[in-house]
Amino acid sequence: DVKVTQSSRYLVKRTGEKVFLECVQDMDHENMFWYRQDPGLGLRLIYFSYDVKMKEKGDIPEGYSVSREKKERFSLILESASTNQTSMYLCASSRLRLGYEQYFGPGTRLTVT
Amino acid sequence: SQQGEEDPQALSIQEGENATMNCSYKTSINNLQWYRQNSGRGLVHLILIRSNEREKHSGRLRVTLDTSKKSSSLLITASRAADTASYFCATDATGANSKLTFGKGITLSVRP
Repeated sequence: DVKVTQSSRYLVKRTGEKVFLECVQDMDHENMFWYRQDPGLGLRLIYFSYDVKMKEKGDIPEGYSVSREKKERFSLILESASTNQTSMYLCASSRLRLGYEQYFGPGTRLTVT
Repeated sequence: SQQGEEDPQALSIQEGENATMNCSYKTSINNLQWYRQNSGRGLVHLILIRSNEREKHSGRLRVTLDTSKKSSSLLITASRAADTASYFCATDATGANSKLTFGKGITLSVRP
């Protein structure tokens, strides 16, 4: 079974802090994704990556950056956390490029105070 | 931009009844997928239907796809309390480089 793990289930940070959210998958998937989920807005794609050191912006990349130094690990970085980044963050991975299902981690609920 | 739109937003049924959820989308797709999310958890993939397929079954799930109407439906038969969750459709639009666009979800409550 595919396993996608995220470094924290719950995280509380202060405004202005640099925040790292880590995601690791164990199935050698090429694609990895970061979403945020907010009530009434569904899932919105922040960034995704097709390969090591590759990244592409999703629908809402502002205020975020990502890093993919190894195939199994995809990190989301909030350079200077703000209260409007309080959200549930979901990482996902999938095979190849052409429409395979995504496997999700359990999510990190981030609160920025 | 929101591609998939689910309908209804919320559904409450009695255990044993069937649940039907609908999804409409706007542009051409390679495939459409349905996911389930239990409260406070990640999403779990349920079923994928490709654009050249019209119907697909998996256990108690039946998915249909009508590309002429740009719509899909998910039917859960003989529902159970454990089916209580949010359900999302996601579209893999043609030319979207395998990005999925998710709808806002349907909240299904199954009363025991």
